[in-house]
Amino acid sequence: QVQVVESGGGVVQPGRSLRLSCVASGFTFSSYAVHWVRQAPGKGLEWVAVITYDGSNTYYADSVKGRFTFSRDNSKNTVYLQMNSLRAEDTAFYYCTRGNSIAAHSYFDYWGQGTLVTVSS
Amino acid sequence: DIHMTQSPSSLSASVGDRVTITCQASQAISKYLNWYQHKPGKAPKLLIYDASNLEKGVPSRFSGSGSGTDFTFNISSLEPEDLATYYCQQYDNLPLTFGGGTKVEIK
Repeated sequence: QVQVVESGGGVVQPGRSLRLSCVASGFTFSSYAVHWVRQAPGKGLEWVAVITYDGSNTYYADSVKGRFTFSRDNSKNTVYLQMNSLRAEDTAFYYCTRGNSIAAHSYFDYWGQGTLVTVSS
Repeated sequence: DIHMTQSPSSLSASVGDRVTITCQASQAISKYLNWYQHKPGKAPKLLIYDASNLEKGVPSRFSGSGSGTDFTFNISSLEPEDLATYYCQQYDNLPLTFGGGTKVEIK
């Protein structure tokens, strides 16, 4: 069955960097876009970024543009979210989720359990 | 950006009640509207995609309707396990955006 597992979360000081990973299995990874969605404490869901099936296109929320970089390695069924210049407002659970198609415009049909990123001094 | 206005932000209902949540988009999004259920400590779960299509394995008491700018999500008969926050989400335009959520509590 489809599985999505995030890792890499933790506590980091403001201005520092962190890299999240997400490994997927149970489907043809290279045929689907992948997204990151986050939830800050006490807040709702916020879309963060998407990478298309072949990694040729990435799109970001304005709140992370220029600081976060999304990449994928289809040979390892893995995506990476490099988060630089972290801010307190980046504190959240980060969910990796499969898009239902190759394209950026997709809904999220399988989700990981999330990894917590805490930005604090 | 397309802004999604979801209401109510919270509701309390009894087991067996019909529950209705609405979602309004700031511009027309055709049918590209989805509904998710999010329980505390769990991954969000897709319930309805493309406004009215029930995701496989989701109980038939959940349903959705609408197109353009106005959408509705229904639980026909509330069950205790439906305690959760529900979100609408549009995928017509980037950035993808969610509604603010509706917290459903059981009386």
